Amino acid sequence: DIQMTQSPSSLSASVGDGVTITCRASQGININVNWYQHKPGKAPEVLIYAASILQSGVPSRFSGSGSGTDFTLTIIGLQPEDFATYYCQQSYSSPPTFGQGTKLEI
Amino acid sequence: EVQLVESGGGLIRPGGSLRLSCASSGFTVSSSYMAWVRQAPGKGLEWVAVIYSGGTTYYPESVKGRFTISRDISKNTLYLQMNSLRAEDTALYYCARDSKQQLVLDYWGQGTLVTVSS
Repeated sequence: DIQMTQSPSSLSASVGDGVTITCRASQGININVNWYQHKPGKAPEVLIYAASILQSGVPSRFSGSGSGTDFTLTIIGLQPEDFATYYCQQSYSSPPTFGQGTKLEI
Repeated sequence: EVQLVESGGGLIRPGGSLRLSCASSGFTVSSSYMAWVRQAPGKGLEWVAVIYSGGTTYYPESVKGRFTISRDISKNTLYLQMNSLRAEDTALYYCARDSKQQLVLDYWGQGTLVTVSS
């Protein structure tokens, strides 16, 4: 199975800041990476798919980039509702696998 | 409106079996890729099973041979049969739909809790 390694595992920021989360795949996976946001007590939500396509309804302050083995999720102008845990997930081969998560804290 | 409602979780002894259900509405389960994803206490997300619209299934090594994903077309319901349960299977189990058929989970249920303990 393909391993996905996220960094950092946790991150502190303030409202209005910009942050970047990175994800590295154990092998080349083209652009087959998706990003999710997960808040306590709620179901995860997809933010970005195919590395850079914004899911419908997701604010434009979220963006994704990368191909091959290295990918990034960037959030500019952090809002209070953005403090959550973020996961990358490869969709290159089954079974799909998630990164270990990045907790974004105030 | 797409809705996914999981049920069947509970407390089960190690070695026991449990079947989770995901009642779906607003779409046809058999026409979608469907998945089960879990989150153990204090841990991250783990994809535990996927079934393609054509019926092909995949599992990670951690559950292969013990878990089986299936669907009932007449009830528009997804299932996860879990056998030989272990303490490390304790988690909140989510049912999810991949409407794009690209292994992107864009609809999720609220989850059902499975606790494996003696």
